[in-house]
Amino acid sequence: QVQLQESGPGLVEPSGTLSLTCAVSGGSISRSVWWSWVRQPPGKGLEWIGEIYHSGSSNYNPSLKSRVTMSIDKSKNQFSLNLSSVTAADTAVYYCARKASATQFDYWGRGTLVAVSS
Amino acid sequence: QSALTQPASVSGSPGQSITISCTGTSSDVGNYNYVSWYQQHPGKAPKLIIYDVSNRPSGVSDRFSGSKSGNTASLTLSGLQAEDEADYYCNSFTSSSTYVFGTGTKVSVL
Repeated sequence: QVQLQESGPGLVEPSGTLSLTCAVSGGSISRSVWWSWVRQPPGKGLEWIGEIYHSGSSNYNPSLKSRVTMSIDKSKNQFSLNLSSVTAADTAVYYCARKASATQFDYWGRGTLVAVSS
Repeated sequence: QSALTQPASVSGSPGQSITISCTGTSSDVGNYNYVSWYQQHPGKAPKLIIYDVSNRPSGVSDRFSGSKSGNTASLTLSGLQAEDEADYYCNSFTSSSTYVFGTGTKVSVL
């Protein structure tokens, strides 16, 4: 059974960089699947942030592309998200998820709340 | 990319059937059979219930079914149960090789 666990600071200052890591257990991160980040502002809907493959290839949401960087660490079986120049609008629960095919976000982490505030 | 359009809320009585629509464009829903649906209970992570427009993952109740016509995908919940009360989101692949979620629908069981 694949499990994903997000970790990182729960509070980030405005204009700073939000950094999160997703640890994958129960399977290799080098499988032929994509690893994704999705966020959900409090009381609002889901927003796809982007995805990364074990080769390092990535795709990002055009609205966030200029501020997003994703990376993958195969030795630690984990992948990461960096979101720069954050504002209060980036306050959200951040989920990591596995995309098993073009339409299957089939495994999700429990989510971690990140607040942007001074 | 704009979020796919879903009704804000849908309600039904136990045992009834309800349908949630998900309207996109020819750049996403209308051009690919890459639509999925997710159920989210309060404080929980989303759960995949439909993929590739109409396929159910193993373990998902057959009371959930999906379909698509043109730029609109639909999720039908048959035999509505109290446990179905949750938020539902559609998702589609886009022509930019990205993904977009729907605005979300709150399902209430009366």
